[in-house]
Amino acid sequence: SQTIHQWPATLVQPVGSPLSLECTVEGTSNPNLYWYRQAAGRGLQLLFYSVGIGQISSEVPQNLSASRPQDRQFILSSKKLLLSDSGFYLCAWSDRGLEAFFGQGTRLTVV
Amino acid sequence: DQQVKQNSPSLSVQEGRISILNCDYTNSMFDYFLWYKKYPAEGPTFLISISSIKDKNEDGRFTVFLNKSAKHLSLHIVPSQPGDSAVYFCAAAIQGAQKLVFGQGTRLTINP
Repeated sequence: SQTIHQWPATLVQPVGSPLSLECTVEGTSNPNLYWYRQAAGRGLQLLFYSVGIGQISSEVPQNLSASRPQDRQFILSSKKLLLSDSGFYLCAWSDRGLEAFFGQGTRLTVV
Repeated sequence: DQQVKQNSPSLSVQEGRISILNCDYTNSMFDYFLWYKKYPAEGPTFLISISSIKDKNEDGRFTVFLNKSAKHLSLHIVPSQPGDSAVYFCAAAIQGAQKLVFGQGTRLTINP
């Protein structure tokens, strides 16, 4: 069966520090991969998605970037965090279908 | 531009009664709709979906209704149980577009 791993579960980072969140999927090949953010009291905002290695689509211009160095690995990064980057970050995958399956999420607090 | 809207941020329902969660969309190109359930500090889990060729899909206690002319869908949960207390997100997609657009979510509380 397919599983998705996302870490860390919580993270507190100072303003201006770098960020790296990692997500890996097991049990499937060539999945679509997604990064979402849920800001406090708001819905799920799609940040990036990838349909293959090295292919990244950005949905919202911002202080973040994404990379897919391997088929089942998706990384969310920032060179310098802002206070507004705080939120709950979710990685998800889909098997070319429409149902997306989510990881457990990372609570990021920028202080 | 919020293409998928859940206008009720919260809903409180008595245990055993019916819960009705609503969702509106603006993009007439959407042809596939999903509902997700989310507990605090966890990722959303898929509940039920419906294609635009149908107007109803049922799975146990959960039924999704789609009104294409009104660009409206709803999720019915009956009977409601305490474990149903969570945030519910509706999502919409254009098949082949590879991504989902989510609403803001509705927090459902089931009271004993």
